[in-house]
Amino acid sequence: DQQVKQNSPSLSVQEGRISILNCDYTNSMFDYFLWYKKYPAEGPTFLISISSIKDKNEDGRFTVFLNKSAKHLSLHIVPSQPGDSAVYFCAANLQGGKLIFGQGTELSVKP
Amino acid sequence: NAGVTQTPKFQVLKTGQSMTLQCAQDMNHNSMYWYRQDPGMGLRLIYYSASEGTTDKGEVPNGYNVSRLNKREFSLRLESAAPSQTSVYFCATSTGLVSNQPQHFGDGTRLSIL
Repeated sequence: DQQVKQNSPSLSVQEGRISILNCDYTNSMFDYFLWYKKYPAEGPTFLISISSIKDKNEDGRFTVFLNKSAKHLSLHIVPSQPGDSAVYFCAANLQGGKLIFGQGTELSVKP
Repeated sequence: NAGVTQTPKFQVLKTGQSMTLQCAQDMNHNSMYWYRQDPGMGLRLIYYSASEGTTDKGEVPNGYNVSRLNKREFSLRLESAAPSQTSVYFCATSTGLVSNQPQHFGDGTRLSIL
């Protein structure tokens, strides 16, 4: 039973445009959500997070939106750059620091 | 500053062989984790250690054992490797077992079991 789902395995966007990556979850007990970025042959790196008591968090070109009623969060990247091409994982925190990860979405930003 | 170092980077085993994956961190973090990543399934938690001297099961612990040797090191052992354990294994650390602390990952060990 997948508690965190990223239903789009891949996304292709033109450089300079907005990238929107989506994530759905089923467990209302999740208290923190995080996005990680992963390049090939490297480990995931932390990108941005949001508490379940907030609905938006911004960090430079990256914004995460949380819609608790819909159990949905999204990551917006504006403007997208070729260096943003990577796999993005959504993760949800259930108890303390234990994370449940989504399957990942591979973003390709074309020049 | 190495961060989180995993050894080896690659390994091929035969079914039934044993293997220990090593993880060492220089971030002075209290908590350490082992995950496996399989195609189409994201990362799944195998075991974690909230602090030195403690270990607990995660989502998929069967077939694995762990040792928190000291604050810096957390090893994962496969006693009798099976083809289903072919995966990429990631070690991660965080300051503590608290919700808002991001985890920092090593670059992974790619393990193939024939």
